[in-house]
This record gives sequence, structure tokens and C-alpha cells, in this order.
Amino acid sequence: AQSVTQLGSHVSVSEGALVLLRCNYSSSVPPYLFWYVQYPNQGLQLLLKYTSAATLVKGINGFEAEFKKSETSFHLTKPSAHMSDAAEYFCAVTINSGGSNYKLTFGKGTLLTVNP
Amino acid sequence: SQTIHQWPATLVQPVGSPLSLECTVEGTSNPNLYWYRQAAGRGLQLLFYSVGIGQISSEVPQNLSASRPQDRQFILSSKKLLLSDSGFYLCAWSVLAVAFFGQGTRLTVV
Repeated sequence: AQSVTQLGSHVSVSEGALVLLRCNYSSSVPPYLFWYVQYPNQGLQLLLKYTSAATLVKGINGFEAEFKKSETSFHLTKPSAHMSDAAEYFCAVTINSGGSNYKLTFGKGTLLTVNP
Repeated sequence: SQTIHQWPATLVQPVGSPLSLECTVEGTSNPNLYWYRQAAGRGLQLLFYSVGIGQISSEVPQNLSASRPQDRQFILSSKKLLLSDSGFYLCAWSVLAVAFFGQGTRLTVV
């Protein structure tokens, strides 16, 4: 079975600083990987996805992530944090098990705080 | 374009009362549908998924059930709520491994 570990339940950065949110996965077959963002009392919004194409994936709001098979990692980065980036971020993994159903397995989330 | 509707947004229910949360998807046919529950600090837990009308798979044993009476409708139910059923419930649909979520329902059992 696949799994995801997000290192750091809470990350705090200053506005304009680099954002780095860490995600490591475990999967016996090539995975599909995702980052979602959640604002308070809202659903999850897809930031970006890796589905076996380019290893460097660009998403919305200036975020990007790089799939590193050798490190089993899919860390999320943004060069310059903005106050509006404050939210909870979830890394998720799924695999193609042969059918049309893809069950996502989520990490426990990382709460990003941006300080002025 | 596809949209997903989930209601109500918030719900306060007494212990022992029934529950019905509804989710509908527009703009797509035969979607895979999912119910997740989110507890603070624990990420999202998959409760049920469905690949077609009347086809429900349960991921964890619990006090809840799900039904899919129509292609784009997914319902989460309980006959008698427990305090432990409190949480944030999210409905999602997927296409080609990518999942899209509704706005969620905050359920508080008192």
C-alpha cells in the first residue's frame, strides 16, 4: 500500500521568504502525486499534480514541486511567500491499480503561517 | 465545466439523531465519487468510494453508510450519530486520478 509522510506539521516563514514544504512517499509502483491547499472551513483545492510526465511540476499561485524518485520525495516550493499563502497544505499519493478507481492517500497536512 | 455541490455547510446534531449529507456533481458522467472525513491534525481519511450507481465500497468500519441512487449523487448517512462522528466531511469526484473536492460539511454532534 502507498503512504505519504509530511515532515513538519507547522511551518512558519516571513513574507517574501522561500516556502519549502516536505513530502516523502512510499509506493511499490510508480505513483501519482498531488499537492492540495485548504483554507479554513473550505474544501481542498488542487495546487499541482505529478502523473509521470515532467518531474518538475508547476502549479497555481507560483508553487512548484519536483518528483525525485531516488529520494522518494515530492517537496513543494515557492520562491517568495505571500500573506495569502497562509493555509494548510496536503500531499497525496495514488497509484494505477488497473481499474478506473484512484483512491488518494493523504499526508497529515502542514500548516503554513506567513509572518509580515 | 464540472462542479461539485455539497450541503449543508454546517450541521449541529444531537447524539442518536440520523444524518444525511448530500453531494452532487455536474458536468460529467459516471464519475468516481468519494467521501472523506477530516479530523484535526490527522489528515483526510477515506470513508467510502463508488465507481457507479449502487456500487459502494467501505474503507473503514464505522457508524456511517453511503449510497449512490443516481449517477452524480452521493449520500452519506447514519441512523444514530455518535459524538465521535463529529468532523469535517468532504465529498470528491475524480477523473484520471485527479480528485476535485466539494466545500465540505462541518458536522458537530452534541
